[in-house]
Amino acid sequence: QQQVKQSPQSLIVQKGGISIINCAYENTAFDYFPWYQQFPGKGPALLIAIRPDVSEKKEGRFTISFNKSAKQFSLHIMDSQPGDSATYFCAAFDTGNFNKFYFGSGTKLNVKP
Amino acid sequence: DAGVTQSPTHLIKTRGQQVTLRCSPKSGHDTVSWYQQALGQGPQFIFQYYEEEERQRGNFPDRFSGHQFPNYSSELNVNALLLGDSALYLCASSLRPPGHEQYFGPGTRLTVT
Repeated sequence: QQQVKQSPQSLIVQKGGISIINCAYENTAFDYFPWYQQFPGKGPALLIAIRPDVSEKKEGRFTISFNKSAKQFSLHIMDSQPGDSATYFCAAFDTGNFNKFYFGSGTKLNVKP
Repeated sequence: DAGVTQSPTHLIKTRGQQVTLRCSPKSGHDTVSWYQQALGQGPQFIFQYYEEEERQRGNFPDRFSGHQFPNYSSELNVNALLLGDSALYLCASSLRPPGHEQYFGPGTRLTVT
């Protein structure tokens, strides 16, 4: 059973546009939701993370929106740039029960100049 | 401040052989987690080490084993290699369990022929 479902699999956005990636989870025990950015040949880099007690968190051009009742969260990249072209992974973690870290399947973002 | 380092960068092995991968955590971190990332997929959790003990484990066979040293560095060992073990192996470090704020290394690309 896939713990975290991520969509779309790939995304093409024009420079300056908004990129939106969505994730859904089932386990209500999850209480930490990070997003990672991965460039080819590199390890994932932590971008931004959110706890379920807030509905939105913004860091620069990156915003996480969180809907606890729907068990969904999304990453918004404002003013997308060609340098943002990478694969993005959402993840979910249960910090209270020392549980495992579950990643989504990834979204390959291509920002056209 | 050194980040997470891994060695070697690339490795080619033959089916049935054994391999050891190494990881040095980010300065100040004491917890190391290992992940397997198949091409085009999200990372899959293998296990986590803290205080030189395996604290939790993902759904991987006993052929996958690890070790953590007193200086917090870690090794991942895989015995009886299969073609399906070909993947990018990622090490992530964090500060104490649950260790959800994880910082990843660049990975070791293992190819089994």
